[in-house]
Amino acid sequence: GQQVMQIPQYQHVQEGEDFTTYCNSSTTLSNIQWYKQRPGGHPVFLIQLVKSGEVKKQKRLTFQFGEAKKNSSLHITATQTTDVGTYFCAGWYGQNFVFGPGTRLSVLP
Amino acid sequence: SAVISQKPSRDICQRGTSLTIQCQVDSQVTMMFWYRQQPGQSLTLIATANQGSEATYESGFVIDKFPISRPNLTFSTLTVSNMSPEDSSIYLCSVEVQLAGTIYFGEGSWLTVV
Repeated sequence: GQQVMQIPQYQHVQEGEDFTTYCNSSTTLSNIQWYKQRPGGHPVFLIQLVKSGEVKKQKRLTFQFGEAKKNSSLHITATQTTDVGTYFCAGWYGQNFVFGPGTRLSVLP
Repeated sequence: SAVISQKPSRDICQRGTSLTIQCQVDSQVTMMFWYRQQPGQSLTLIATANQGSEATYESGFVIDKFPISRPNLTFSTLTVSNMSPEDSSIYLCSVEVQLAGTIYFGEGSWLTVV
């Protein structure tokens, strides 16, 4: 069946350090989406990637979609305490929208 | 985007009782979904709420336990029936804004079953 994996499961960084989370799909995706969930909050849409090899930036966040459209990454430059939360990738498998297990980011001040 | 309102936002429920969660969207949407998020876990799709017909349930979820209604394109309800402590979770309503497009979430309903 469809499977979305993310690594690492947890990441602790010092404020100012960079952070990257990786997402891998068992099958090719038409698009991939990234969400952030703050502690005690709900998932909030960050971005959607559609094209093979696509790279999008949002301030300190850089999102990349692999050439084969089976993997993606989210990179945060110079983390801040406001970046704390769990980052999920998700994709469409037929009519089902499936989430990865998430990467929980802690930022130490 | 879409503005999605869920209620209740939080509740503590007695074992064996049932609770209905409501989801209201500020615009007409084709696809509405219900997810469950157990503590510290990712999101698991319970079912797709279909307007005017029975919901489509994922493996491991059944209508008797999680009856869903979708009377129109802006509203849906999820009932968690005969609750047990294992049902303590966040239940999230979500909508797809455009075909195979972006999914937006409500703020969730945090249920604790005691």
